[in-house]
Amino acid sequence: DTGVSQDPRHKITKRGQNVTFRCDPISEHNRLYWYRQTLGQGPEFLTYFQNEAQLEKSRLLSDRFSAERPKGSFSTLEIQRTEQGDSAMYLCASSLEGWNQPQHFGDGTRLSIL
Amino acid sequence: ELKVEQNPLFLSMQEGKNYTIYCNYSTTSDRLYWYRQDPGKSLESLFVLLSNGAVKQEGRLMASLDTKARLSTLHITAAVHDLSATYFCAVNLGSDGLTFGKGTHLIIQP
Repeated sequence: DTGVSQDPRHKITKRGQNVTFRCDPISEHNRLYWYRQTLGQGPEFLTYFQNEAQLEKSRLLSDRFSAERPKGSFSTLEIQRTEQGDSAMYLCASSLEGWNQPQHFGDGTRLSIL
Repeated sequence: ELKVEQNPLFLSMQEGKNYTIYCNYSTTSDRLYWYRQDPGKSLESLFVLLSNGAVKQEGRLMASLDTKARLSTLHITAAVHDLSATYFCAVNLGSDGLTFGKGTHLIIQP
């Protein structure tokens, strides 16, 4: 069990550029979640997948954000036309299916917008 | 809209002391989670509380849930420096996305 893996760990980009992050969940987990965390705050839910189906999206997920999980394994989160306010830590989590299963978090991708 | 409030947000205490962190939430839920986060690290699952009256203990940490009061507590017994971290509570409301509190930044001084 290698845990939830995220890549890259850090991303610095200029405002207006597109960025894409990758998340590899724990292998037997069929649920995958994306969160955003800013300094001094708790994580905020963005979206989640069960297998390849995106079942829920937060209102925080503007139309510049898109997430995919094409084969029900790894997931990508893309942000188009980045803005200063997108600077944050983007966390991925995975879990087994079931109402009592905890979510296991990766180390996150820290995005800095210049 | 579900709101989760933690109290205190910042706590400095000495080793050997006891203290309690409180987590209030605004809407009925029967699933509450506690996580720990070290600086620059991700979140580590500590406890999953699934029913009214649930109590779980791991080492010097004990968590409880009162769904009627919409309150969970995380009690620290005889604190040690290694417990210094930020502690988050989080609640599910029907959907599977978690709503987190702002976290309690705990510093334990020798």
